[in-house]
Amino acid sequence: GNSVTQMEGPVTLSEEAFLTINCTYTATGYPSLFWYVQYPGEGLQLLLKATKADDKGSNKGFEATYRKETTSFHLEKGSVQVSDSAVYFCALTMNRDDKIIFGKGTRLHILP
Amino acid sequence: EAQVTQNPRYLITVTGKKLTVTCSQNMNHEYMSWYRQDPGLGLRQIYYSMNVEVTDKGDVPEGYKVSRKEKRNFPLILESPSPNQTSLYFCASWSGLAGLETQYFGPGTRLLVL
Repeated sequence: GNSVTQMEGPVTLSEEAFLTINCTYTATGYPSLFWYVQYPGEGLQLLLKATKADDKGSNKGFEATYRKETTSFHLEKGSVQVSDSAVYFCALTMNRDDKIIFGKGTRLHILP
Repeated sequence: EAQVTQNPRYLITVTGKKLTVTCSQNMNHEYMSWYRQDPGLGLRQIYYSMNVEVTDKGDVPEGYKVSRKEKRNFPLILESPSPNQTSLYFCASWSGLAGLETQYFGPGTRLLVL
């Protein structure tokens, strides 16, 4: 079946460091890919998305590129801030489907 | 303001005592869904609804019931809660036209079953 695998956390970085959170997927067909962010005590918010191969999603300084050849959608940010501390979820959905499949989440801690 | 609301936010109960967690959205979304979040397991879908009176099972429906009598409300019912249903629950809604990328999440309900 379809699935999403994320790097396990927690990930701890210093402020202004470069961030990469790995995400790979398994899917029959061509999924849409998402990154969600969950700040402490809150629900999930959509961070960025890409709906076809080679698309780059970007928001708030975060980027992810849909790589069909490596079935990956890694999240990157050039310079993280303390306020980026949160749990990040990679997810996929098959077009015209009603279900979304989430990865297990990666907790990110940014130290001042 | 567009939002999904859940009540209660926190609940402690005992095994076997029926409970309902309410969910309401103000965006006229056709689709609604319930998820549970557990450490190391991420989010797993319990049930979802495509419109009034139309629901379907997600990945972990056992022990849960839902109903969709009105478009804005989608309550989650635990008829006989057990300790393995201790979890953080999220309700979400999205537009059928715009798709899952427009999904809004509620703030979560933390449930402890003793």
